Amino acid sequence: KNEVEQSPQNLTAQEGEFITINCSYSVGISALHWLQQHPGGGIVSLFMLSSGKKKHGRLIATINIQEKHSSLHITASHPRDSAVYICAVRLNPIELVFGKGTKLTVNP
Amino acid sequence: SQTIHQWPATLVQPVGSPLSLECTVEGTSNPNLYWYRQAAGRGLQLLFYSVGIGQISSEVPQNLSASRPQDRQFILSSKKLLLSDSGFYLCAWSVRDRVGGYTFGSGTRLTVV
Repeated sequence: KNEVEQSPQNLTAQEGEFITINCSYSVGISALHWLQQHPGGGIVSLFMLSSGKKKHGRLIATINIQEKHSSLHITASHPRDSAVYICAVRLNPIELVFGKGTKLTVNP
Repeated sequence: SQTIHQWPATLVQPVGSPLSLECTVEGTSNPNLYWYRQAAGRGLQLLFYSVGIGQISSEVPQNLSASRPQDRQFILSSKKLLLSDSGFYLCAWSVRDRVGGYTFGSGTRLTVV
């Protein structure tokens, strides 16, 4: 069974810092998703990746298919970036396996 | 544009009472629909998915059931809630037969007392 491991579990940063969240998985996948969950619980899809790198504003996501590893970077972090960031891997059009999330707190 | 509506946002129900959570999607046809649960300290777990009207697949045995009476409506139900049913329930949709993005609802926080 595929496992999705995220690190770190918790991350506290000062405003302006560069942040990296890591995700590793154990089997072949068709795509990887990065999601953001705010304290109220709602989830927003940030990226879907199957190779290479994607950038949206201050967020950058990379994936290395050979090493089964992905990273989410936040440049110039801000308190509004505080949220839980979740990595999920797509095994097929139906099955999505989620990591447990990384709780990010950015202090002003 | 495509949107997904999920309600209610919060719910407190006594043990043994019934449950009905509703999810509707707008702006797309023939979506795959999903119900997920997030228990405290755990990742999201797929409960049910549906690839069409009346077609429901269950991923884990439990006290819950799901129905899809219309193409863009997905309902999560229980006849008698258990304390262990407490959690955060999320509905989501994706394009059928294609690996694409997921869109999540805003979630329902259920507390069974």
